[in-house]
Amino acid sequence: AQTVTQSQPEMSVQEAETVTLSCTYDTSENNYYLFWYKQPPSRQMILVIRQEAYKQQNATENRFSVNFQKAAKSFSLKISDSQLGDTAMYFCAFMKLVGNTDKLIFGTGTRLQVFP
Amino acid sequence: EADIYQTPRYLVIGTGKKITLECSQTMGHDKMYWYQQDPGMELHLIHYSYGVNSTEKGDLSSESTVSRIRTEHFPLTLESARPSHTSQYLCASSEWGVTGELFFGEGSRLTVL
Repeated sequence: AQTVTQSQPEMSVQEAETVTLSCTYDTSENNYYLFWYKQPPSRQMILVIRQEAYKQQNATENRFSVNFQKAAKSFSLKISDSQLGDTAMYFCAFMKLVGNTDKLIFGTGTRLQVFP
Repeated sequence: EADIYQTPRYLVIGTGKKITLECSQTMGHDKMYWYQQDPGMELHLIHYSYGVNSTEKGDLSSESTVSRIRTEHFPLTLESARPSHTSQYLCASSEWGVTGELFFGEGSRLTVL
């Protein structure tokens, strides 16, 4: 069975600084997707960034980028130029490419607080 | 903001009551999901649906039931609520095809006394 581990329950960063959130996963699959989802306080969870396991190039979305190390089964999220609106719970998630269902396996989350 | 809505947002009820958590989406998505999220814990999939008249149980066993009579509507029902059902329930939907991009509602936080 696949598992996703986020070892940092809470992180904090000052506005405009850079922060990295860690995620490791365990799987015997070769083809899969990895995701970072953001859940702001009392608001809807949204997708931040997605990485296909077959792609060697790390995914980037504006200020958000990942460091995908397939052999090490590591998938960290880097947030550059942190903004107050980045304050949220961040969930790392795994999905294997089987069937037609987007069945995601989530980690326990990292609560990120951005300070002015 | 995604066009997926959950009601009620907060519910406090007594043990033994029947409750229905509503979920509706206006995006025409075929696939819909219910996740259970306890504080400080990961989300667990409890039900999903590929489309009308299709429902499947997720990875986490749940005493709740779901129905999918219309594409846009995916309600979750607990026939007899217990304190162990206290949790946050998140509804989500996704387009046909496998992308992993789920669109989530704001959640229904249930407290059973």
